[in-house]
Amino acid sequence: GENVEQHPSTLSVQEGDSAVIKCTYSDSASNYFPWYKQELGKRPQLIIDIRSNVGEKKDQRIAVTLNKTAKHFSLHITETQPEDSAVYFCAARDQTGANNLFFGTGTRLTVIP
Amino acid sequence: GAVVSQHPSWVICKSGTSVKIECRSLDFQATTMFWYRQFPKQSLMLMATSNEGSKATYEQGVEKDKFLINHASLTLSTLTVTSAHPEDSSFYICSARQTYHTDTQYFGPGTRLTVL
Repeated sequence: GENVEQHPSTLSVQEGDSAVIKCTYSDSASNYFPWYKQELGKRPQLIIDIRSNVGEKKDQRIAVTLNKTAKHFSLHITETQPEDSAVYFCAARDQTGANNLFFGTGTRLTVIP
Repeated sequence: GAVVSQHPSWVICKSGTSVKIECRSLDFQATTMFWYRQFPKQSLMLMATSNEGSKATYEQGVEKDKFLINHASLTLSTLTVTSAHPEDSSFYICSARQTYHTDTQYFGPGTRLTVL
C-alpha cells in the first residue's frame, strides 16, 4: 500500500512568517493529495487538495505544490496567524480497491503571537 | 458543506463489554465510509473500509471479529468494538465519501472510547 512520510513533526513560527510542511509518498500511481487541519479534540478538516494533473494550487494564504517525479508535495502557509496553530496531516490516495487515503504522521504547527 | 456525525462522542465502558459507534452522513449519500483510529499525538490509522451492502475491507492487523462493521444504508455505518479491553481505548473517527464525488472524505467528530 501507499506510504506517506511527513516532516517536520513540530514547527514553530512567529506570527506573520511562513510555514512549510513537506510530504513524500511511495506509490507513483497515487493521484489525489489532500491536506487536513486538526485542532485539539476536533475532527480533521480539509483545507486544500491537489490532483496529480496540477503542479500547484493556491487558496488565499494556503498553497500546495506537487512534484510527481520526485513524489513529494508541500503545504505552504503565508502570513501565519495564531489560529493557524493545529496539527496538519497530508494524505495520498492509492489507486487500489476503495481508493483509500493514507495519512502522514502529522505536523504540529505553533504560531507564536 | 457535507456533514458527518458520530454517536456517541464519548463512551466509557467496562472491560469485556461491547460498544457500538455510529457514523452518519447527514446531507449526502456515502457508498463508502472509512473507520480510523487515532492515538494521542499520532496520525490517523485506517482500520477498515465500509461499503454499503457488502462486507467491510479490513487493513492488515485489524481483527475483523473484534471490530465489527456494518454499512446497512447509504447514510449509516456502525463500528462495534466487541469484548473491549483497555488497549482498545482510543479516538475512533469515521469519514464518508460522497457517492458521486469520489475525491473528498468528510470526517466525523470522533468518538473517544475509554475501557476500564
